[in-house]
Amino acid sequence: SQQGEEDPQALSIQEGENATMNCSYKTSINNLQWYRQNSGRGLVHLILIRSNEREKHSGRLRVTLDTSKKSSSLLITASRAADTASYFCAPDTGRRALTFGSGTRLQVQP
Amino acid sequence: SQTIHQWPATLVQPVGSPLSLECTVEGTSNPNLYWYRQAAGRGLQLLFYSVGIGQISSEVPQNLSASRPQDRQFILSSKKLLLSDSGFYLCAWSARDRGYSNIQYFGAGTRLSVL
Repeated sequence: SQQGEEDPQALSIQEGENATMNCSYKTSINNLQWYRQNSGRGLVHLILIRSNEREKHSGRLRVTLDTSKKSSSLLITASRAADTASYFCAPDTGRRALTFGSGTRLQVQP
Repeated sequence: SQTIHQWPATLVQPVGSPLSLECTVEGTSNPNLYWYRQAAGRGLQLLFYSVGIGQISSEVPQNLSASRPQDRQFILSSKKLLLSDSGFYLCAWSARDRGYSNIQYFGAGTRLSVL
């Protein structure tokens, strides 16, 4: 399977803390994307990191990519209750369709 | 700007009944289109994707079919629903001219309960 595998499956933190979730994948990629899904809603694209990039920032999001280890991490700094959602990584291997893992369910306690 | 519409939002259907879910995209041409299914608390399973009118690729054998009668319309169907067809169905699109990205944009989803 070319899908990313997110870890941990679930994460519960207090508001203001940082949240880190990880993604591992199996094949070479063009880029890797992270998506967010609020309960009962569609996925929303958060950030894309290309295979030749090692780190990328967007607001409170920081993504790293290690192609030698076939892994990526998503860091959300100073988390808020509104960050409560499921987060998915999607390695893009050049196929037309992305594949998604089971996600990390993040709960931010106010 | 581009928008994606998916309906209905919820659907309760008896076993053995037919199904038709519709998805339309506005504000873009020649999109790639996708149907996913998500079981409760689980990841997304790619069901179908389409790169053009009448061009459908199926990822998994199943009780469902898809059609693309128009460039920006994608329909998910079944002749006879099974209990196992219950789930959260998501439609998505991505730009045909990918460049170096294949970002997907999702609809709000349809929650299907087969009873």
